[in-house]
Amino acid sequence: QKEVEQDPGPLSVPEGAIVSLNCTYSNSAFQYFMWYRQYSRKGPELLMYTYSSGNKEDGRFTAQVDKSSKYISLFIRDSQPSDSATYLCAMGISGGYNKLIFGAGTRLAVHP
Amino acid sequence: NAGVMQNPRHLVRRRGQEARLRCSPMKGHSHVYWYRQLPEEGLKFMVYLQKENIIDESGMPKERFSAEFPKEGPSILRIQQVVRGDSAAYFCASSPSTTDTQYFGPGTRLTVL
Repeated sequence: QKEVEQDPGPLSVPEGAIVSLNCTYSNSAFQYFMWYRQYSRKGPELLMYTYSSGNKEDGRFTAQVDKSSKYISLFIRDSQPSDSATYLCAMGISGGYNKLIFGAGTRLAVHP
Repeated sequence: NAGVMQNPRHLVRRRGQEARLRCSPMKGHSHVYWYRQLPEEGLKFMVYLQKENIIDESGMPKERFSAEFPKEGPSILRIQQVVRGDSAAYFCASSPSTTDTQYFGPGTRLTVL
């Protein structure tokens, strides 16, 4: 079993839709939770970063963490064609350094 | 403030040759991480370095791979005697401390013929 599971998609939605992206994990030691966006043949770009359970909102993006269920989500409201990319969840363990464990990434396509 | 820089962006090597990948962290960042991304897969941690020190190389293959981050100059990921299975995108990330977020470079795409 992988430490972090993420549905690879692809996920195709119409412009304006609400998108829900999810990851589950097995290691209860994970303390840091991140979402990165990666455009084709580019480096990952940090979107959201959170330490604790609950919701964190930034513009059209909301990150949700449920540590009791070992489940994290990223919601994108009013999706745009420019949101078409691969979304990677990543997690880190506290206490020293921030070695990240990534999910496989979900490919999202938003069509006009 | 320039972001993380990696060069070359694309590197083609024949089997048995050496590959050297360079990473210049963001200004003020002394922590460097290397990750490898195989096609259709997420990023896999390889090694974590601070200036002149390897802190964690648990993700590095035991043979042919080495990394350094000298006092002056960029971090280098070196792959000796490359094989076709080494073909991948190699990403470098940097952070100003152990608990800060990591910022990624654009990657080096290595193709082994």
